[in-house]
Amino acid sequence: GENVEQHPSTLSVQEGDSAVIKCTYSDSASNYFPWYKQELGKRPQLIIDIRSNVGEKKDQRIAVTLNKTAKHFSLHITETQPEDSAVYFCAAKTTDSWGKLQFGAGTQVVVTP
Amino acid sequence: DAGVTQSPTHLIKTRGQHVTLRCSPISGHKSVSWYQQVLGQGPQFIFQYYEKEERGRGNFPDRFSARQFPNYSSELNVNALLLGDSALYLCASRTGTGISYEQYFGPGTRLTVT
Repeated sequence: GENVEQHPSTLSVQEGDSAVIKCTYSDSASNYFPWYKQELGKRPQLIIDIRSNVGEKKDQRIAVTLNKTAKHFSLHITETQPEDSAVYFCAAKTTDSWGKLQFGAGTQVVVTP
Repeated sequence: DAGVTQSPTHLIKTRGQHVTLRCSPISGHKSVSWYQQVLGQGPQFIFQYYEKEERGRGNFPDRFSARQFPNYSSELNVNALLLGDSALYLCASRTGTGISYEQYFGPGTRLTVT
């Protein structure tokens, strides 16, 4: 089955700097890669996603890149703000599943003013 | 529009008991998935239902079961509770049709087994 590894487990950045989180996946059949942000005590919130036929997608300060050959994808947050502090999860869905997402272990991002 | 809703918010049960968790998907969404999130880890897939049929099952024991109703709401049942079942149980909904893969999570039910 699919296995998703996420690094780093914790990331501390100064406000205004960029943050990068990387994930690798094992199943070359995976075709959909969402990123979720989870604040303490709240639900995971879908912040951006990318499909296997796209190499990069951007939404304001957030971007995701996908390298299918290397089977890895990354989340980039620019101009970080204190409200970006949260746990971020990457996930992957394979083409043979109806919607099963395999999640990474999460990255705790702390943005210090 | 209302998002995914779940009930109850919190639940405390004793080992060996049974629990039922409930989920209502976003209006128009026909697919519901259940995930277990242990503290400090990513969500783990338990079940997916679409049009009242099970479409996927994760690596969980038979003590876990679920069903989906004609209105697309869903229940997750866990029998013979163990201490290790303590977790946040999340429900996610998606349209389930076409090429829309986006899944939206509910607030979860925090289950504590003592």
